[in-house]
Amino acid sequence: GQQVMQIPQYQHVQEGEDFTTYCNSSTTLSNIQWYKQRPGGHPVFLIQLVKSGEVKKQKRLTFQFGEAKKNSSLHITATQTTDVGTYFCADHEIQGAQKLVFGQGTRLTINP
Amino acid sequence: NAGVTQTPKFRVLKTGQSMTLLCAQDMNHEYMYWYRQDPGMGLRLIHYSVGEGTTAKGEVPDGYNVSRLKKQNFLLGLESAAPSQTSVYFCASSFTGGPLGELFFGEGSRLTVL
Repeated sequence: GQQVMQIPQYQHVQEGEDFTTYCNSSTTLSNIQWYKQRPGGHPVFLIQLVKSGEVKKQKRLTFQFGEAKKNSSLHITATQTTDVGTYFCADHEIQGAQKLVFGQGTRLTINP
Repeated sequence: NAGVTQTPKFRVLKTGQSMTLLCAQDMNHEYMYWYRQDPGMGLRLIHYSVGEGTTAKGEVPDGYNVSRLKKQNFLLGLESAAPSQTSVYFCASSFTGGPLGELFFGEGSRLTVL
C-alpha cells in the first residue's frame, strides 16, 4: 500500500535555530496535509498543499510541495518553545478510498 | 460548538474484555475515521466511514469493529481486547474526503489492556 516516509524521526534544536522536516513517497502524492500535535494533545490541521511546486507560508512556517509531487517539507524559521510537538504529513488519497495516510511524524524538542 | 468528542478518555481493560469507544461530532461531517497512535508509528487508520450506514477497513482493522448508525456518531468496538491494542485512539471527522477535507480530531482515548 501507499507509504509516506517522514524524516527525521526526532529533532532537538536550540531556541532560535531553524527546523525542517521532510515527507517523501515513492509514488506521486495526491494532496499533502500537515498537522501539529502538541505533547499530550491531538493533531491539529496546519495547511494543505495541492499543486506541484506549491509554497505556502504561515508566519515562521514555510510549506513546500515538490515539483514532481513526491515530496514535501515544513521549515520553521527561528524556532520558539511554542513550536514543540510532533509534526505529521499526510497524503490525502483521492482515488478509490478517500482517506489520509500519515507519515510517522517528526518530534521536535527545543532547548530554551 | 464541541467539535469532535470522544468517550471515554481513559480506560483500563483486562485481556479478553470488550468495550466500545464513542465518537460524536456536531459539525454535520460526512466522513469519520478511527486512528490509533503508538510511539514511533505515527497515526494508523483502523476503520473509516464515508457516510451514515457505511464503514470501510483501514490499514489495521483486525480486532476492531465499527458502526455508523447515525451521521454524528462513529463507534469503535473491541470484542476481545488484547495487550497489543494498548494505544491512544483518535477519532476524526471531515466534511468531505476530497482536496478540502481537513480532519478535525477528538482529544483521544487512552486504552490500556492488561
